[in-house]
Amino acid sequence: GDSVTQMEGPVTLSEEAFLTINCTYTATGYPSLFWYVQYPGEGLQLLLKATKADDKGSNKGFEATYRKETTSFHLEKGSVQVSDSAVYFCALSETYGQNFVFGPGTRLSVLP
Amino acid sequence: NAGVMQNPRHLVRRRGQEARLRCSPMKGHSHVYWYRQLPEEGLKFMVYLQKENIIDESGMPKERFSAEFPKEGPSILRIQQVVRGDSAAYFCASSLGVSSEAFFGQGTRLTVV
Repeated sequence: GDSVTQMEGPVTLSEEAFLTINCTYTATGYPSLFWYVQYPGEGLQLLLKATKADDKGSNKGFEATYRKETTSFHLEKGSVQVSDSAVYFCALSETYGQNFVFGPGTRLSVLP
Repeated sequence: NAGVMQNPRHLVRRRGQEARLRCSPMKGHSHVYWYRQLPEEGLKFMVYLQKENIIDESGMPKERFSAEFPKEGPSILRIQQVVRGDSAAYFCASSLGVSSEAFFGQGTRLTVV
């Protein structure tokens, strides 16, 4: 079945550092890919998405590019802030936006 | 337009009791999904419902768990005879339909004591 693998956390960075969180997937079809963020005590918020190969999703300084050849969707941000501290989930959906398969999440802590 | 509303936000039950979790989808959304998040883990799909129909319950435990989405009112996830292992955060998501983006609620955190 479909699956999503993320780099294990926790990841601890200093403010203004460069962030990469790796995500790879396996899927039987041609899925849509998503990054969700979960702040402490809150639900999931969609951060960005991509629906086809070579699409780049971006939001709030975060970016991820749908790489079909490497089955990857790595999350990057050039300069993290303390407010970016959260858990980040990579996810796929064979039918756009539905029946998500989530990765285990990567906890990010940004220190001032 | 209010987002997906889940209640209660926090629920404490003793072992053997029943837990009822409610999810009101966004206005106009007729598709509802339930996910479970165990501590320090990702979300696992449980069930996908449309109004009055269960479309996919492949992630739902075979015993003690049930879900419904009636014609009127919220979707309900029911857990009978709860055990400590049921302690988790339960998230609901809703969408307009096939190939439409799903939006998540803030979750219900169930604690079984």
